[in-house]
Amino acid sequence: GQNIDQPTEMTATEGAIVQINCTYQTSGFNGLFWYQQHAGEAPTFLSYNVLDGLEEKGRFSSFLSRSKGYSYLLLKELQMKDSASYLCAPTDKLIFGTGTRLQVFP
Amino acid sequence: IAGITQAPTSQILAAGRRMTLRCTQDMRHNAMYWYRQDLGLGLRLIHYSNTAGTTGKGEVPDGYSVSRANTDDFPLTLASAVPSQTSVYFCASSRGSSYNEQFFGPGTRLTVL
Repeated sequence: GQNIDQPTEMTATEGAIVQINCTYQTSGFNGLFWYQQHAGEAPTFLSYNVLDGLEEKGRFSSFLSRSKGYSYLLLKELQMKDSASYLCAPTDKLIFGTGTRLQVFP
Repeated sequence: IAGITQAPTSQILAAGRRMTLRCTQDMRHNAMYWYRQDLGLGLRLIHYSNTAGTTGKGEVPDGYSVSRANTDDFPLTLASAVPSQTSVYFCASSRGSSYNEQFFGPGTRLTVL
């Protein structure tokens, strides 16, 4: 089986840093994806981690610990346009988490 | 065509009717997928195809069928629509298997009355 757990909602202030956690249990594993989805739009790719550690891409970073079944997405210097849902998706059965809805306030 | 497209954008359908949602990609991706997205349940995989000529069942395949006659097209058919199939449907494609980044179409909003 495969279980994915993310917080349902988070709020933060413009310019701040926010960390979105994802824990998972999966029978097979070949990496973990993070996608961003703005309201009413399609998901878009943010990051992919296959090895343990931190992957940095501009304002966004993603961390993976395979032994702990844990990942997080770190968003720095938050902007209003970062208000969206963030979906965690460990590979294996193409199952996505229900997503974390992030609201950024001025 | 640039990327992945879906049609129609939205549709209202009477229960019991047959409906085909269309999906076309021009990226020559081998793999294609159909998801439905419902509030509180996230994205759920309906069917997938790793390459032209092959298809597989996802998490919620009942009531849906797919075909993959060529690389570019991956239609999803509801043989006899029911209200519980009211949802937003996303088609996606990836260069290889599930280990590759997926590119999503804009979605089809389907309402079954």
